[in-house]
Amino acid sequence: KAGVTQTPRYLIKTRGQQVTLSCSPISGHRSVSWYQQTPGQGLQFLFEYFSETQRNKGNFPGRFSGRQFSNSRSEMNVSTLELGDSALYLCASSLGGRMNTEAFFGQGTRLTVV
Amino acid sequence: GENVEQHPSTLSVQEGDSAVIKCTYSDSASNYFPWYKQELGKGPQLIIDIRSNVGEKKDQRIAVTLNKTAKHFSLHITETQPEDSAVYFCAASSNAGGTSYGKLTFGQGTILTVHP
Repeated sequence: KAGVTQTPRYLIKTRGQQVTLSCSPISGHRSVSWYQQTPGQGLQFLFEYFSETQRNKGNFPGRFSGRQFSNSRSEMNVSTLELGDSALYLCASSLGGRMNTEAFFGQGTRLTVV
Repeated sequence: GENVEQHPSTLSVQEGDSAVIKCTYSDSASNYFPWYKQELGKGPQLIIDIRSNVGEKKDQRIAVTLNKTAKHFSLHITETQPEDSAVYFCAASSNAGGTSYGKLTFGQGTILTVHP
């Protein structure tokens, strides 16, 4: 069974640009959550999608957005990049639903903003 | 919202010793507590989890205990091996819906080093 796949693995962008990251969940999983990981702030929740609907959102500015497609694949977008957006972006997939189920992470996308 | 505190931030042990990492949480509605291991250049890997209706769970050399009254849970690794060296994260979540959906609140992580 394939795991969670994130693309690309590495990105270098310039301040002011925008970026789109992609996540393919484990087959059969309908929930995709996104996290930002930095040395200073640790792992912070960005948002969660289930059946193409955003069910939950963390405390990040509106420059951070996402979407989910009918095949459960998800993308997140960051507009008007700032230096502080440099981080490892992780997505996690789970079965979803009301009961908490195991969340499995991808390898992440390392974003560097210069 | 939920807050998870994790200690210690670094832990150094000799091969064969035991390692214990402790976490406390603030939200009494939290009912699911996973532990993740993250190796350099990789995403977090789920190693064990526990739900609030269980006090202890064991999987080979790894065990997790939960004290709901005190709101703390711990990871125990016995007979440590050099390949156990990694960053370990505890997390908490609830299934209350709304602002809980898909959200894991993580501790700050523990860097475990196992010396041969």
